[in-house]
Amino acid sequence: GENVEQHPSTLSVQEGDSAVIKCTYSDSASNYFPWYKQELGKRPQLIIDIRSNVGEKKDQRIAVTLNKTAKHFSLHITETQPEDSAVYFCAANSAGGTSYGKLTFGQGTILTVHP
Amino acid sequence: GAGVSQSPSNKVTEKGKDVELRCDPISGHTALYWYRQSLGQGLEFLIYFQGNSAPDKSGLPSDRFSAERTGGSVSTLTIQRTQQEDSAVYLCASSIAGGPETQYFGPGTRLLVL
Repeated sequence: GENVEQHPSTLSVQEGDSAVIKCTYSDSASNYFPWYKQELGKRPQLIIDIRSNVGEKKDQRIAVTLNKTAKHFSLHITETQPEDSAVYFCAANSAGGTSYGKLTFGQGTILTVHP
Repeated sequence: GAGVSQSPSNKVTEKGKDVELRCDPISGHTALYWYRQSLGQGLEFLIYFQGNSAPDKSGLPSDRFSAERTGGSVSTLTIQRTQQEDSAVYLCASSIAGGPETQYFGPGTRLLVL
């Protein structure tokens, strides 16, 4: 099955700096890669996703890049703010069969933005 | 509109007891997922329902775990003979279809097995 590795496990930045989180996946047939943000005690919420037919997607200060050949994708947050502090999870879907909506998640990155 | 809801929000039980966790998906969503999140860990897939298809149970950790989805809407996750290692937050998510679509998560049920 799919295996997703996420790095780093913790990331500390100063307000205004950029933050980058990287994930690799194992199933070359995966075609959907969402990123979720989870604040302490809250539910995970989708912040951005990318499908395999594009290499990059941006939404204001957030961007995701995908390299299908290398099977890795990254989350980029620019001009970080203290409210960006949270745990971020990447995920990849299981392609093929009837379970292609099923997601495998990375282990998470604890991002801390210092004022 | 209403999001995914789960009940109870917290559950404390004794080792060996059975528990039932409930999930109400977003109305009209045909796909429903259960995940488990242990303290400080990622989300572990448990089971996936899509429409009337047979569920994907490949993530259930043991035969003590089972889930049903009645009428294509509400789902119940049952854990029999609970063990301390079952303590975790159980998250439910739904999506509008079974393909790779946005999954919307519920607030979770925090289960503590004493």
